[in-house]
Amino acid sequence: QSALTQPASVSGSPGQSITISCTGTSSDVGSYNLVSWYQQHPGKAPKLMIYEVSKRPSGVSNRFSGSKSGNTASLTISGLQAEDEADYYCCSYAGSSTPYVFGTGTKVTVL
Amino acid sequence: EVQLVESGGGLVKPGGSLRLSCAASGFTFSSYSMNWVRQAPGKGLEWVSSISSSSSYIYYADSVKGRFTISRDNAKNSLYLQMNSLRAEDTAVYYCARGSLELQSWGQGTLVTVSS
Repeated sequence: QSALTQPASVSGSPGQSITISCTGTSSDVGSYNLVSWYQQHPGKAPKLMIYEVSKRPSGVSNRFSGSKSGNTASLTISGLQAEDEADYYCCSYAGSSTPYVFGTGTKVTVL
Repeated sequence: EVQLVESGGGLVKPGGSLRLSCAASGFTFSSYSMNWVRQAPGKGLEWVSSISSSSSYIYYADSVKGRFTISRDNAKNSLYLQMNSLRAEDTAVYYCARGSLELQSWGQGTLVTVSS
C-alpha cells in the first residue's frame, strides 16, 4: 500500500484560506468516506483535526474543514492564523488488513 | 481526560529486541481498538500495527510483519509492542493511538534508535 500524495508545502498570509490536497487511489480514498486529517507541531504528537472526510472533533476550530471528490481529499484552513503553522497529514482507511494509510505530509507556513 | 503514556524506547543494536508499553487512562480501555504508529526522524507518519478491543483482530504493516507483535492487557489498561530482529530503518518515535477508523488520541511517543 503506497502513501497518499500530498504537496510538500503550502503557505498563506494570516487571514487567508489554504487548501491541502491528498490524492490516493480507488482502493483507499476513493472507496471509503474514512479520510482523517492530523496536525503535528514540531516535537509534538499528532492531533486529530478531521475524521470521516468532513467531521470535526469537539474542540477543533470550525476554521478547519474537509471534503472529498473521487480519489482526492482536501483540508481547507480558513482565516489562517500563526498557530496553524504545522505539519498536516491525511490518512485513509484502505481495508481491514490495512486500516491506516497516511499521506506524505504537508508543511503549512504562515507568512 | 484521555492519557496515553509510552515507555520502553531506547538504543538497541541491529538484530536486537525491545518491548514498548503504552499505559492508558481516562477512558474504558477495553472498549477501544489500539494502534502503534511510528515516525522516523524528519519523516512522515507510518502505521505499524492495530489490535481490536478484545484482541480478536490484529494487523501489521508489511514492513514489520513477522518481526513485531502487538498485544494488550485490558486488566492492566496497557498496550504492548514486542519488536524483534530490529533494523536501522526501525529507528523512529513510536506513538500509541486510540481508535478504530480514525486515531482519536495519541501518546507523546517513545524514541527507538537501532544502531551499532
